[in-house]
Amino acid sequence: SQQGEEDPQALSIQEGENATMNCSYKTSINNLQWYRQNSGRGLVHLILIRSNEREKHSGRLRVTLDTSKKSSSLLITASRAADTASYFCATVTGNTPLVFGKGTRLSVIA
Amino acid sequence: NAGVTQTPKFRVLKTGQSMTLLCAQDMNHEYMYWYRQDPGMGLRLIHYSVGEGTTAKGEVPDGYNVSRLKKQNFLLGLESAAPSQTSVYFCASSPTGASTEAFFGQGTRLTVV
Repeated sequence: SQQGEEDPQALSIQEGENATMNCSYKTSINNLQWYRQNSGRGLVHLILIRSNEREKHSGRLRVTLDTSKKSSSLLITASRAADTASYFCATVTGNTPLVFGKGTRLSVIA
Repeated sequence: NAGVTQTPKFRVLKTGQSMTLLCAQDMNHEYMYWYRQDPGMGLRLIHYSVGEGTTAKGEVPDGYNVSRLKKQNFLLGLESAAPSQTSVYFCASSPTGASTEAFFGQGTRLTVV
């Protein structure tokens, strides 16, 4: 069964604005990962945050993790049209493979 | 360095036919995975392998079989295709398990009529 649940399901913003996506999960995790999928393509890894970390940055990406609330957020700053894609969170528990949420579809309008 | 390569990219099958999807990785990764992606459902794990010669069931294994005879290859078989198996199939690999990032192939779009 799916562990992560992204919110919102779809998001539309103007170029230059910030985009925030949230992920909630049900059970304790080892780490949480965010992936991007451009239309019709495979998933690309963006960032991994471990359960003992609270925040990580990578370029224009900022990820936070709140294990007490079992939630994570992905912030994309100064969005570009090229950021248009679906974004998935995936959780890792023990030695089990990645369990993905249903994703957030982000549209960045130029 | 090709990464993860899936073959074929597209396929149309008739109900009851069989086929094999091939996944090949050139990164010497131990772990390999097969997911299916359906509209509104995200990715669901079908089968996975933690090393050459090993396989394990995922969330939705029924109707599929897998083999990992060589470390670099992970095959997904459909013995008797059904319309419910119409989906986009993704293969992925990772170096040492779920605590590292996974690398995905470009997907195989399968339609069963």
